Amino acid sequence: GENVEQHPSTLSVQEGDSAVIKCTYSDSASNYFPWYKQELGKGPQLIIDIRSNVGEKKDQRIAVTLNKTAKHFSLHITETQPEDSAVYFCAASLSSGDKLTFGTGTRLAVRP
Amino acid sequence: GAVVSQHPSRVICKSGTSVKIECRSLDFQATTMFWYRQFPKQSLMLMATSNEGSKATYEQGVEKDKFLINHASLTLSTLTVTSAHPEDSSFYICSARDFFAEQYFGPGTRLTVT
Repeated sequence: GENVEQHPSTLSVQEGDSAVIKCTYSDSASNYFPWYKQELGKGPQLIIDIRSNVGEKKDQRIAVTLNKTAKHFSLHITETQPEDSAVYFCAASLSSGDKLTFGTGTRLAVRP
Repeated sequence: GAVVSQHPSRVICKSGTSVKIECRSLDFQATTMFWYRQFPKQSLMLMATSNEGSKATYEQGVEKDKFLINHASLTLSTLTVTSAHPEDSSFYICSARDFFAEQYFGPGTRLTVT
């Protein structure tokens, strides 16, 4: 089955700096790679996703890159704000409607 | 956007009792729903895939007789934890897939077994 590794497990940045979180996956059949933000006591919230036919996708301060050959994808958050502080999970699946395999999570802290 | 609700948001039950958690798609029909479990400071782990009108498919290591899943309608799936024990205490999260194969997560249910 699919295995998703995520690094780093914790990340602390100064407000305004950039944050980068990286994930690798094992199943070359995976085609859908979403990123979720989870705040304490809440369900995961989709913040951006990318499909295998695209190498990069951007939405305001958030971007995701995908390297299918190397089987890794990354989340980039620019101009970080204190409200970006949360746990971020990457995930992989065959398609957007299939079961997801999650990474281990990254706890991001943005220092004011 | 599509909304998925869970009820209750948190529940405390005594060891040995059963508890039911509901997952509803409020503004769309969901032929498939997924149930995940998340222990404190850990990732989400898929427990089972629930298809409307058929038996759920459980992931390896998940006891189907302990975690009963019923998907009786296109907007409701239920997870019943039978004979709950303290080690079943966890955050249970469902997701629902819409007609366009997009997946939406519920807010989660915190189960505490005393």
